[in-house]
Amino acid sequence: NAGVTQTPKFQVLKTGQSMTLQCAQDMNHNSMYWYRQDPGMGLRLIYYSASEGTTDKGEVPNGYNVSRLNKREFSLRLESAAPSQTSVYFCASSEQGTGELFFGEGSRLTVL
Amino acid sequence: AQKITQTQPGMFVQEKEAVTLDCTYDTSDQSYGLFWYKQPSSGEMIFLIYQGSYDEQNATEGRYSLNFQKARKSANLVISASQLGDSAMYFCAMREFSSGSARQLTFGSGTQLTVLP
Repeated sequence: NAGVTQTPKFQVLKTGQSMTLQCAQDMNHNSMYWYRQDPGMGLRLIYYSASEGTTDKGEVPNGYNVSRLNKREFSLRLESAAPSQTSVYFCASSEQGTGELFFGEGSRLTVL
Repeated sequence: AQKITQTQPGMFVQEKEAVTLDCTYDTSDQSYGLFWYKQPSSGEMIFLIYQGSYDEQNATEGRYSLNFQKARKSANLVISASQLGDSAMYFCAMREFSSGSARQLTFGSGTQLTVLP
C-alpha cells in the first residue's frame, strides 16, 4: 500500500546548495507530477511527465530540473537553491490524462 | 486569469451542520473534470470527489456532494453533517481534457474549514 513515496520529508539547505527530491510510485501510473505548495497560493505545477521518457514544464519551472528515470521514478533537482524555493513539495501520479492525482506525503524544504 | 477561484479563505461551521465551499472555474474546453481534495493539518492530500463536465448528475460520495452548475461555471462542495475531523484545507482543482496542456490539474488557493464543537 505504498502508493507514492517521496524522500526526504524534511530538508534544510543553504543558498546555493543543490539537492534532489526523489519520488516513486507503485501503481503503474503513466503520468507523474511535481507541485509546490506555498501559503495562500494552492498547489502550483513545477514539471510533469505525461509518460516515461517525456517531461514538460509546468507553471513555475524556473530553478528546477526533473528526470523521469523509469516508469516508477520521477526526481526533482534544485541545482542552486534560493530562499524563494522554500516550500512544501508534492509528487503525484495518475493514469495518463484521466482521473485523480495520487499524492505523496510532501517534502518540506527550507532554504536559508 | 485564474482558472480556479476559491473566494473563501476561511469558513466556520457548527458540528453536525452542512457547509458549502465555493469554487468557480474558467475554461474554454468542453471536456474537463473537477476535483476536490482535502488537506488536514498533517499535510497529506486526500481525494474527495470528482465531477466530469458531461456528467448529468451531481457527484456524491458519502457526506460529500458537488453542486455542479455548468452555465455558471461553479462546482461547489457541500459537506453534510459536519464532523470535527472535517476541519482541514479544501482545494478545488480542474483538469482540461481537450486542450494540448497534457491534462495536469490546476488548483485553487484553498478554503480553510474549521468545524466548531
